[in-house]
Amino acid sequence: AQSVTQLDSQVPVFEEAPVELRCNYSSSVSVYLFWYVQYPNQGLQLLLKYLSGSTLVESINGFEAEFNKSQTSFHLRKPSVHISDTAEYFCAVSDRSRDSSYKLIFGSGTRLLVRP
Amino acid sequence: ETGVTQTPRHLVMGMTNKKSLKCEQHLGHNAMYWYKQSAKKPLELMFVYNFKEQTENNSVPSRFSPECPNSSHLFLHLHTLQPEDSALYLCASSQSSGSIYEQYFGPGTRLTVT
Repeated sequence: AQSVTQLDSQVPVFEEAPVELRCNYSSSVSVYLFWYVQYPNQGLQLLLKYLSGSTLVESINGFEAEFNKSQTSFHLRKPSVHISDTAEYFCAVSDRSRDSSYKLIFGSGTRLLVRP
Repeated sequence: ETGVTQTPRHLVMGMTNKKSLKCEQHLGHNAMYWYKQSAKKPLELMFVYNFKEQTENNSVPSRFSPECPNSSHLFLHLHTLQPEDSALYLCASSQSSGSIYEQYFGPGTRLTVT
């Protein structure tokens, strides 16, 4: 079964500074990877995903993540963060159940705290 | 966000109560999910329904009983819960669970068991 590790439970950063949120997954033949964001008192929203093709994927609000198969990583980066980026970020990997359906395995989350 | 709605948003119940959580999706999806989100722990998948059929029960205690009357509605019936069941319960939906599709989440129900 797949597993996801998010090593940093909280990442404090100043506004306009760059940030990297780390995510490592257990190895698999084929893997699909996701980053979700959860703002306070809201559900999770998909930020970006890697299914196939280019290993660098981007979101509409300036985040990007790179699939690195050799390092089994899918780190999330943003070159300049805003106060509004303060939220909890979850990395997730797909896993197939015995009936061949897909489910998502989530990491424990990283709280990004952007300070002025 | 109106794609996936959950009611109530907050619930406080005693250990002997019976209550139900409701989830409704307006996205035309065929798969629905219940997750439990506890502080400092990864999201835990509880149940998966695909085309109204339960396809996953992640070793959830029987005091949690799901119901999926149609592809748009999902319920979680609660009875004789324990204080450790206090958590945020999230509902999600996707086009189906048979392939990789984006899951859309509701805002959750914050449950407190006293």
